[in-house]
Amino acid sequence: EAQVTQNPRYLITVTGKKLTVTCSQNMNHEYMSWYRQDPGLGLRQIYYSMNVEVTDKGDVPEGYKVSRKEKRNFPLILESPSPNQTSLYFCASSFEGRSNQPQHFGDGTRLSIL
Amino acid sequence: AQSVTQLDSHVSVSEGTPVLLRCNYSSSYSPSLFWYVQHPNKGLQLLLKYTSAATLVKGINGFEAEFKKSETSFHLTKPSAHMSDAAEYFCVVSDLENAGNMLTFGGGTRLMVKP
Repeated sequence: EAQVTQNPRYLITVTGKKLTVTCSQNMNHEYMSWYRQDPGLGLRQIYYSMNVEVTDKGDVPEGYKVSRKEKRNFPLILESPSPNQTSLYFCASSFEGRSNQPQHFGDGTRLSIL
Repeated sequence: AQSVTQLDSHVSVSEGTPVLLRCNYSSSYSPSLFWYVQHPNKGLQLLLKYTSAATLVKGINGFEAEFKKSETSFHLTKPSAHMSDAAEYFCVVSDLENAGNMLTFGGGTRLMVKP
């Protein structure tokens, strides 16, 4: 089954404790992206990757890191999480980074930073 | 720059009545437009997309949307609401201006369906 898998689905942690949210897709997609969803704001892009070893900032990259060492994986790293990063996070992928291609989304990761 | 405005944050309808979720966009280029649906504790699922072909686009679950360039609108409709349609809906615009950073989301419309 074609899917985007995120782990963990839920995490409660404390300020400053490094964490990683994993994202994996099994569709051989070149393009992958991370979003955060906050009430009334829709989804905002954090980082994206057009292909392996190619990453770039989205609209709200501060406080986040990513890497793309393999095509299928695109982890999101919070080196020193803060309460304002409490949010619902989505990973997405598409075949290519073209505007007319829909993206496939994971089921989300709800992070609470205390 | 591109932007999307969903005109209603909440819409409530009775089961069996029509659904209208409104979306206006702005884009410097010929945009692609999407509607996604999000059920509780789930990711976003594509309902339909417009990519410069027919202006009336049919999607899954009986939804459709009409691209109106003169009005810069892309409203989502369904003739008869079902209880399972209760969810949050996002209008999304994408154009070539920002390669990679492509999607701009509206703030979402929560659809409630009353029995």
